[in-house]
Amino acid sequence: AQTIHQWPVAEIKAVGSPLSLGCTIKGKSSPNLYWYWQATGGTLQQLFYSITVGQVESVVQLNLSASRPKDDQFILSTEKLLLSHSGFYLCAWSPGLGGPDTQYFGPGTRLLVL
Amino acid sequence: GDQVEQSPSALSLHEGTDSALRCNFTTTMRSVQWFRQNSRGSLISLFYLASGTKENGRLKSAFDSKERRYSTLHIRDAQLEDSGTYFCAAEVPGYQNFYFGKGTSLTVIP
Repeated sequence: AQTIHQWPVAEIKAVGSPLSLGCTIKGKSSPNLYWYWQATGGTLQQLFYSITVGQVESVVQLNLSASRPKDDQFILSTEKLLLSHSGFYLCAWSPGLGGPDTQYFGPGTRLLVL
Repeated sequence: GDQVEQSPSALSLHEGTDSALRCNFTTTMRSVQWFRQNSRGSLISLFYLASGTKENGRLKSAFDSKERRYSTLHIRDAQLEDSGTYFCAAEVPGYQNFYFGKGTSLTVIP
């Protein structure tokens, strides 16, 4: 069975500080990977997606960047946090390789920027 | 503008009653997925549809197969555990781009 893990569970960071959030998928090779952001009480906004190692496409940047250093790992980062980065970050995967794009979400990371 | 319009934004149901949620899309979509988000933020997939209808217990979803511009989620015999926020997410054809509705906050009342 596939599992998706996100780290950290929660973070409190200062404005201007760097950030790195991680996502790992186990039990599925070559998945499509996605990053989403959700403001408190809001909807989900897709940030990035990746269909293969080393390739990341931006949908909405929000002064963030993403990388896929391994087949099972997706990283979201920034060098300088803004107050507007606060929210809930969700990683998701789908089977890829022409299959249905059913998305499965991780537990998320809550970020508070002060 | 918003690609997905979800309605209603909030809904209160008495236990045992039925209701429907709807998502309208401003353009033709490839597929739609429905989720329920619980109080901890976990998103649980309910249905994925590329066309037609699917049913699972008291839940049933449909995706307009002709113009692919709307989807519905029907809840039958609502139970307390159905409470939560429901989202639809639609996929734009040809891209790995997904647009979420603004959600429906459902409260089931005893």
